Amino acid sequence: DAGVTQSPTHLIKTRGQQVTLRCSPISGHKSVSWYQQVLGQGPQFIFQYYEKEERGRGNFPDRFSARQFPNYSSELNVNALLLGDSALYLCASSRGPLRVAKNIQYFGAGTRLSVL
Amino acid sequence: DAKTTQPNSMESNEEEPVHLPCNHSTISGTDYIHWYRQLPSQGPEYVIHGLTSNVNNRMASLAIAEDRKSSTLILHRATLRDAAVYYCILRIVLIQGAQKLVFGQGTRLTINP
Repeated sequence: DAGVTQSPTHLIKTRGQQVTLRCSPISGHKSVSWYQQVLGQGPQFIFQYYEKEERGRGNFPDRFSARQFPNYSSELNVNALLLGDSALYLCASSRGPLRVAKNIQYFGAGTRLSVL
Repeated sequence: DAKTTQPNSMESNEEEPVHLPCNHSTISGTDYIHWYRQLPSQGPEYVIHGLTSNVNNRMASLAIAEDRKSSTLILHRATLRDAAVYYCILRIVLIQGAQKLVFGQGTRLTINP
């Protein structure tokens, strides 16, 4: 079975532009989470979506938004890009319901975003 | 959020056991302890998780202190492929029902041949 797939793998943007990152979860997984990993640090939680609804949001500005589609794939949008948005953006998928003790998040390889 | 504290780096020899410590003194009763590892240019890979009891799987063992304020990931026989950054993580349930992973800074594990 295919794992979590993310596209594109790399992206270069300039300050002020907008970017859309895409994620396809593992087949059968209904929940998608997004994380930002700045170089040299651990990933930080941005959003979690389950059954197309936002179920949790981390401490990120409103410039960050996301959505989940009927096929459970997801997009992360970032508007008005800043230099500090340069990072590896990771998508993770997991089964539902959300409170299952064995609910594991499986990560994709990420999208490397560089803002110039 | 509760947070985890790990050594920045550790070194071990091939085919020897490795014990990776983690402190999480502010953990709450419903937080699960997870361990992931990450290789360069890859996403984090799940290793093991637990709540209160020690856990074993094919990759590793997880020993959780009785007061749950610390835990140790045990690799029983390290290989060169185990060299990675290991993250000790708390899985926290949000009010809306989402589960977020709170990562620490990680331990960079080096394995010597």
